Amino acid sequence: KQEVTQIPAALSVPEGENLVLNCSFTDSAIYNLQWFRQDPGKGLTSLLLIQSSQREQTSGRLNASLDKSSGRSTLYIAASQPGDSATYLCAAHKKTGDYKLSFGAGTTVTVRA
Amino acid sequence: DTAVSQTPKYLVTQMGNDKSIKCEQNLGHDTMYWYKQDSKKFLKIMFSYNNKELIINETVPNRFSPKSPDKAHLNLHINSLELGDSAVYFCASSQVQIRDTGELFFGEGSRLTVL
Repeated sequence: KQEVTQIPAALSVPEGENLVLNCSFTDSAIYNLQWFRQDPGKGLTSLLLIQSSQREQTSGRLNASLDKSSGRSTLYIAASQPGDSATYLCAAHKKTGDYKLSFGAGTTVTVRA
Repeated sequence: DTAVSQTPKYLVTQMGNDKSIKCEQNLGHDTMYWYKQDSKKFLKIMFSYNNKELIINETVPNRFSPKSPDKAHLNLHINSLELGDSAVYFCASSQVQIRDTGELFFGEGSRLTVL
């Protein structure tokens, strides 16, 4: 059974600081790993998707890395802004069978102006 | 155009009632999901359908019954609602084939409050 863990559960940083969010998963047989953002009371917005054959993906100030052998993914957000305040979730997509997506509990980020 | 749409967005009802939440996706995806997000914000899968066929059925009370009339729709019907059913229910869809990314797209969520 795939278990996804995100550390830390919460993070508060001053504006301009770089953010590092960690995600670990127990089963390396994944189809992809996806990072989402969720604002309070809202749905999930897809940020980055890394296929199992890839090592990283970048979009603007966001960069996500994937190391399947160690069961880890890291989301980096450069030069954080107050608008980056949200909960960030990672999800590992099972490679075969039911293709189940397992979520971590999320990291809640607060960027102080 | 909204890719994954759910209705209603908010639902307040009494214990014991029966209610439905509808979901539609216009992305042409084969796979649709229902997730439940509890008060602690943890997302847990409930059901998944691939081409109208049930492929994931987690440990969910049989008061919850999904129905997929076609691959673009996955509805969730809940009988005899209980206080513990209060949560936000998210619908999602993806395309999981060899040449597809498998990226998941979520609806905005349906907040159910049982009084």
